[in-house]
Amino acid sequence: QLRLQESGPGAVRPSETLSLTCTVSGGAVTSDPYYWGWIRQPPGKGLEFIGSINFRGTTYDSPSLRRRVSMSVDTSKNQFSLHVYSVTPADTAVYYCARVFEGPGWYLGYFDHWGLGTLVTVSS
Amino acid sequence: QSVLTQPPSVSAAPGQKVTISCSGSSSNIGSNFVSWYQLLPGTVPKLLIYDNNKRPSGIPDRFSGSKSDTSATLDITGLQTGDEANYYCGTWETSLSFVVFGGGTKLTVV
Repeated sequence: QLRLQESGPGAVRPSETLSLTCTVSGGAVTSDPYYWGWIRQPPGKGLEFIGSINFRGTTYDSPSLRRRVSMSVDTSKNQFSLHVYSVTPADTAVYYCARVFEGPGWYLGYFDHWGLGTLVTVSS
Repeated sequence: QSVLTQPPSVSAAPGQKVTISCSGSSSNIGSNFVSWYQLLPGTVPKLLIYDNNKRPSGIPDRFSGSKSDTSATLDITGLQTGDEANYYCGTWETSLSFVVFGGGTKLTVV
């Protein structure tokens, strides 16, 4: 059974960097045709796609967050990570990691396994 | 403001059927597969429907999905109190190459 678990600080100061790691168990991050994605949900709002990466380092990302986000994969630890730079209180959200199916023809299809999510609060 | 439009809330009695709609455009729903997710506080989000109308293993057939043109729907029959949750649709946005979601629909079973 594939399981994903987010880890990282629950609080970050404005202008600093939010860093989260997702640890995958029960499956390998090197699996094809899967990507590994990040989604967030601000309090009282809907889901927002942040980005995704595969084990080759190829990414898809949100146009609105692209300039402040980087992602990486560590195949030796079976983990993938997210960094959001120059955060503001608007980045306060529950952050989810998930496995994403990549369909034929270069598109992301669906998120079939999710982590429980972790709340990150941006505040001074 | 979400790219895909869902009703903020729906409600129905136990045992009844409810339909949740998801409206988009030709560059997202109109040209790509739709998926549906169930989010319940304190639990891992669950994929209910993928590729418009397919159910992952373990999802009961009370949940079904369909798509027509630029809209999609999730039907839930035989409603149970345990179905009370927030439901989100999602799809690929071809014009900008990223995933978009609906704003979510809160289902109340009363």
